[in-house]
Amino acid sequence: AQSVAQPEDQVNVAEGNPLTVKCTYSVSGNPYLFWYVQYPNRGLQFLLKYITGDNLVKGSYGFEAEFNKSQTSFHLKKPSALVSDSALYFCAVSLSGGYQKVTFGTGTKLQVIP
Amino acid sequence: DTAVSQTPKYLVTQMGNDKSIKCEQNLGHDTMYWYKQDSKKFLKIMFSYNNKELIINETVPNRFSPKSPDKAHLNLHINSLELGDSAVYFCASSQGGAQRETQYFGPGTRLLVL
Repeated sequence: AQSVAQPEDQVNVAEGNPLTVKCTYSVSGNPYLFWYVQYPNRGLQFLLKYITGDNLVKGSYGFEAEFNKSQTSFHLKKPSALVSDSALYFCAVSLSGGYQKVTFGTGTKLQVIP
Repeated sequence: DTAVSQTPKYLVTQMGNDKSIKCEQNLGHDTMYWYKQDSKKFLKIMFSYNNKELIINETVPNRFSPKSPDKAHLNLHINSLELGDSAVYFCASSQGGAQRETQYFGPGTRLLVL
């Protein structure tokens, strides 16, 4: 079984400040980890993913995430938040091997305050 | 050009009716998915097809029947609609199995059952 937890329903951050959106996962095996963003009334858009290799993954729009195996975490970060970053962020996990489904977290609403 | 498109965008119908949602992707992907997003924004996979073959079938009522006429299309037919079916349904596609590949989402179909 696999699961992913996003402990914060909402994160508020001032424009220009660094932001972090938290994600922890639980899998029995090697995980593949993803971040997607959803703007209002839109489908999800891919931001970044960790498959293997460097634990620090850089993605779209200046976002990055660090895979931490010992803490089973994959937190999303950005050094300087923009108002346009305000959206719903989803962490997701899947397992290697065969056809495996992707399990999404419950989402974290990011509000960047001007 | 829209990569993953869905029709209709909005669907309002009465309980007990039968309805279909269509999905098309022009990305040349061989895997397509249906997700359901409920009112709390929780996203859950329903089905996945690879090369027109069903590979993931989550515990979805058999009132829901997907059909993939070819690799570029995945339709969802829902019989005897219930109030609890009200949600946003997202189609997505990827190249290859879901586990490590980026998924591309459609804009969603907002279904309201009255």
